[in-house]
Amino acid sequence: GQNIDQPTEMTATEGAIVQINCTYQTSGFNGLFWYQQHAGEAPTFLSYNVLDGLEEKGRFSSFLSRSKGYSYLLLKELQMKDSASYLCAVSGGYNKLIFGAGTRLAVHP
Amino acid sequence: DSGVTQTPKHLITATGQRVTLRCSPRSGDLSVYWYQQSLDQGLQFLIQYYNGEERAKGNILERFSAQQFPDLHSELNLSSLELGDSALYFCASSAAGIGELFFGEGSRLTVL
Repeated sequence: GQNIDQPTEMTATEGAIVQINCTYQTSGFNGLFWYQQHAGEAPTFLSYNVLDGLEEKGRFSSFLSRSKGYSYLLLKELQMKDSASYLCAVSGGYNKLIFGAGTRLAVHP
Repeated sequence: DSGVTQTPKHLITATGQRVTLRCSPRSGDLSVYWYQQSLDQGLQFLIQYYNGEERAKGNILERFSAQQFPDLHSELNLSSLELGDSALYFCASSAAGIGELFFGEGSRLTVL
C-alpha cells in the first residue's frame, strides 16, 4: 500500500521562510513531486526529485531522502500569493501519482 | 494554460442520474489520468490510461467507468449519482507515462 503524510495547515509571515515536510511509504518509487494548488484551481507543478538531495528552483527548493522516505519543500521570501495548498505526491508504477492530503499554507502580512 | 482541456467546467444534476466528463490531453501526450477531489480533500487517483489501454486503477467505484479513444481523448462516466459524488474531477496528462502531470482546470460536479 501507499501512505503519504504531510501537515494539514501551516502559517507564515510574508518575507519569511517555511518548510513543508512530507513522509511517505510506498511499494514502488519513481520519484516525488510537489504541486501547488490554489483553492478551486488546477494543481501546478513545482518540483520533482528522483535522487537524494536538494533541487533548487528560484524561491522554491525540494529535498529528498529515499532511505528515510522523507521530503520537504522549502519556500523562501514568502509572498501573499504563496497562500495555497501544497501537495506532495509519489510516483509509483506506470507514473501513477498518489497524492497526500495537502498542506494549506496561509501567508500573513 | 496546461494544454489539457476538460468539459464541462460545471455540471449540476440530480441523484440517480448519469453524466459524462470529457478530457483532451496535451498534444502528443499518451497518458491520461483521472482524479477526484472532494471539498477540502486531497486528490484521489481514479484511473490511468496509456495510448487507449487501461494502465492503472485506483479507488474508482463500480458506478464509474472511463475510456480513452483512438484520438487520445478520454471520458469519465459517472452513473447512479449520489450526493457524495459531488466533487471536482481533474484530468491530467503526461508524455509517454513518465514525469510531470499536467492538469486540466477540472469539472465541478454538483449532485442535488
